[in-house]
Amino acid sequence: DAKTTQPTSMDCAEGRAANLPCNHSTISGNEYVYWYRQIHSQGPQYIIHGLKNNETNEMASLIITEDRKSSTLILPHATLRDTAVYYCIVRVDNAGNMLTFGGGTRLMVKP
Amino acid sequence: GAVVSQHPSRVICKSGTSVKIECRSLDFQATTMFWYRQFPKQSLMLMATSNEGSKATYEQGVEKDKFLINHASLTLSTLTVTSAHPEDSSFYICSASGGLSYEQYFGPGTRLTVT
Repeated sequence: DAKTTQPTSMDCAEGRAANLPCNHSTISGNEYVYWYRQIHSQGPQYIIHGLKNNETNEMASLIITEDRKSSTLILPHATLRDTAVYYCIVRVDNAGNMLTFGGGTRLMVKP
Repeated sequence: GAVVSQHPSRVICKSGTSVKIECRSLDFQATTMFWYRQFPKQSLMLMATSNEGSKATYEQGVEKDKFLINHASLTLSTLTVTSAHPEDSSFYICSASGGLSYEQYFGPGTRLTVT
C-alpha cells in the first residue's frame, strides 16, 4: 500500500471548518483513499473513503485532487467532540486487505 | 455503520498468566478479522489477519505461539495472550470486514495491563 504524509498536529476553532491534508504521491490507480479517526482510548472510527471523485457524507467531505496525489478531509463545522487523531490511509479495496496506519494528524478543536 | 464489540474493555493480569480477548461482529458476518496493538502515543500496528475457519496470518515479529488467534465463526474471533509479561501491556483493537463492503469496522479496544 502507498505511504501517506500528514501534518503531525493541527488546531481548529470550534464551529469553523477543519481542513486536514494528506499527501499520497505514490498512490496506485486501484487504491482508494480512506479516512479514519481515533478519539482517545477508543477504537478507530470510519469517516469516509473515495477513489477519484469528491465524496460527502453526514460526517465529512473528501476532496481528492485530479492527479490523486493528495486529498483533504473537511469537517464543515468542527465541534469539541471532533478532537481526535485523523488517519489518512490508501489501500486496494479487498476484503482481506489490512489498513496500514501512519502517524495521523492530531486535531485539537478549541473553544 | 456496523457494530463490533470487544470484551473485556480492560483487564489486569499477573505476569505468566493467559488472557483471552473476544471480538464480535454484532450485525454482520465478518469473513475477515484483524487484530492490532497500540502502545501509548503510537499508531496502530497490525498483529495478524484471520479468515473464518482458517489459520491466522501473523505479521513479521509477532509470535504466533504467544498470541493465539481463533476465528471459528463469522461473528467471533478471540485473541489469547499466553504467558503474559509486562511488555505485553498495550491497547488491543480488533476490526472486522465482510459482506459487500470492504470497509473495516473497529471494536472499542481492550486495555491490557500485566503486573
